[in-house]
Amino acid sequence: DAGVIQSPRHEVTEMGQEVTLRCKPISGHDYLFWYRQTMMRGLELLIYFNNNVPIDDSGMPEDRFSAKMPNASFSTLKIQPSEPRDSAVYFCASRTADITLHFGNGTRLTVT
Amino acid sequence: GQSLEQPSEVTAVEGAIVQINCTYQTSGFYGLSWYQQHDGGAPTFLSYNGLDGLEETGRFSSFLSRSDSYGYLLLQELQMKDSASYFCAVNTGFQKLVFGTGTRLLVSP
Repeated sequence: DAGVIQSPRHEVTEMGQEVTLRCKPISGHDYLFWYRQTMMRGLELLIYFNNNVPIDDSGMPEDRFSAKMPNASFSTLKIQPSEPRDSAVYFCASRTADITLHFGNGTRLTVT
Repeated sequence: GQSLEQPSEVTAVEGAIVQINCTYQTSGFYGLSWYQQHDGGAPTFLSYNGLDGLEETGRFSSFLSRSDSYGYLLLQELQMKDSASYFCAVNTGFQKLVFGTGTRLLVSP
């Protein structure tokens, strides 16, 4: 099992640019979650999908953030325009009906 | 609101036993999980308590008291590789996991 795959591993961009983070969940997992981790706020849930449908996006900080899941094997998190305060590690995680979350290795985003 | 409190840092020596506490105040509660995260790595699942009591998995055990809104992770026979951050997480319902602030464990020789 390849696990949850995220790309890129690192992203450095300038303020105002569009950033797209990608995630491939574990095959057969029907829940997908996007988390953000910072020193100040810890691990925050941004949005989650069930069977490719967004269920709860109440954690998305503002309209600059959007997420899609066009099929069972792919999801994106987009920030447009990016700001320095968006700098964080973004994790994608997936699971079945079981409560255990399987995390990807994360994308470290730096916005200058 | 949701709040999960953990000590920010714990230190111990190899071979020792350490307990990491977690107190929570959440709008819903369906169980308490524990995750381990090494520096630069991803959180990985350690343990889950859906009911009161102790769950044991090798050197790690986890305890839950729902009446006290309290749980802990117990690590025995500490090894250097156990140096990591440990997070408690509450299943608040609707498939959502809310994570605690994390406890950094430093194991010294």
